[in-house]
Amino acid sequence: GGIITQTPKFLIGQEGQKLTLKCQQNFNHDTMYWYRQDSGKGLRLIYYSITENDLQKGDLSEGYDASREKKSSFSLTVTSAQKNEMAVFLCASSIVGQGAEQFFGPGTRLTVL
Amino acid sequence: GDSVTQTEGQVALSEEDFLTIHCNYSASGYPALFWYVQYPGEGPQFLFRASRDKEKGSSRGFEATYDKGTTSFHLRKASVQESDSAVYYCALGGDTNAYKVIFGKGTHLHVLP
Repeated sequence: GGIITQTPKFLIGQEGQKLTLKCQQNFNHDTMYWYRQDSGKGLRLIYYSITENDLQKGDLSEGYDASREKKSSFSLTVTSAQKNEMAVFLCASSIVGQGAEQFFGPGTRLTVL
Repeated sequence: GDSVTQTEGQVALSEEDFLTIHCNYSASGYPALFWYVQYPGEGPQFLFRASRDKEKGSSRGFEATYDKGTTSFHLRKASVQESDSAVYYCALGGDTNAYKVIFGKGTHLHVLP
């Protein structure tokens, strides 16, 4: 089996601050994802990376940047944190292809003061 | 664009009750359909998938049948337990872009002892 590690577990920032979330996986999966989870809104795709040198925008990419440093790691940057923002950011990975199950990390909980 | 609708935001049942969580989708072709389960403090976990009309997916006593005619993939379990209390997400992997998995808003299941 494998595991997805997300750091930090909790992130508290100030309005306007640039914040970076990190994700590591040891499944040797090609594809990685970042989702935002808000209460009552489900999971919304921010960025995904099909293979190591690829980067694709999801439906919620505005206000975020992403970086696939190597096959096992995928970072997400909040470019300017919004006041009173609260959400959980989930990283996931999968093999390439339709119908592939995604494996999720435990999430990073963001609070902006 | 593609979408997934989960009718129930919250479901409250007693142990041994029958469960149905409704999921309807809108997409062209034959998207892959998934159910995921999320326990408190964890990321979502893959439950099962189905990829073609009339295919049944199942796991841990849960099941759902892909129905292209009614564009549905309803989750059912004959007898729920308190340990089934969690958030359940229906999702689809688009036919045109398999990587862009779209999740429903989730259904919070509470099972009372």
